[in-house]
Amino acid sequence: EVQLVETGGGLIQPGGSLRLSCAVSGFTVSSNYMSWVRQAPGKGLEWVSVIYSGGNTKYAEFLKGRFTISRDYSKNTLYLQMNSLRAEDTAVYYCARALEAATGIGAFDIWGRGTMVTVSS
Amino acid sequence: DIQMTQSPSSLSASVGDRVTITCQASQDITNYLDWYQQKPGKAPKLLIYDASTLETGVPSRFSGSGSGTDFTFTINSLQPEDIATYYCQQYGNLPFTFGGGTKVEIK
Repeated sequence: EVQLVETGGGLIQPGGSLRLSCAVSGFTVSSNYMSWVRQAPGKGLEWVSVIYSGGNTKYAEFLKGRFTISRDYSKNTLYLQMNSLRAEDTAVYYCARALEAATGIGAFDIWGRGTMVTVSS
Repeated sequence: DIQMTQSPSSLSASVGDRVTITCQASQDITNYLDWYQQKPGKAPKLLIYDASTLETGVPSRFSGSGSGTDFTFTINSLQPEDIATYYCQQYGNLPFTFGGGTKVEIK
């Protein structure tokens, strides 16, 4: 069964760090484009980062270098290391698999259930 | 960044009605647009990609059209289980950007 399961969320103080994990089953994470998308409480969807099958990574500009996306082939898991967290990073964080498109990355066809990150003192 | 302007932000319709949502991109994205359905407390679900291709398993009452900068999403014959928020998203250019969402309710 194809499944994505995010873990690692929780309550963290401003300035702190957190690492989110996305355990993948049913396909190989390193052979696919994988992304993180977040959703602040009561708000819309916001793309965060992507890692290409070849290993290249891209990030939303507003992150300003605070987050790092990575993957572990042996654990078939995607990660998001989040540093210097701010209140505005409070959101549900989803991992998602992207289809291939002519531009490279296409639509997100498989999503996890999300993990909540709350940044507050 | 490409801005995605989605309208309306909410709508109320009766069961069986035809519902239409529009999404306008701030620049040409060819057909690199998809539509998601999100129910409260759930992850988004892909309904349509490449502007008009129905994802496997999605009911045929959902459809999409458009190219360039103007796109339309339609639900033919609204059903009670279609109550959700719908989002468009462009993947023609990084950063990927979403529309603001349309909340669909039953009248």
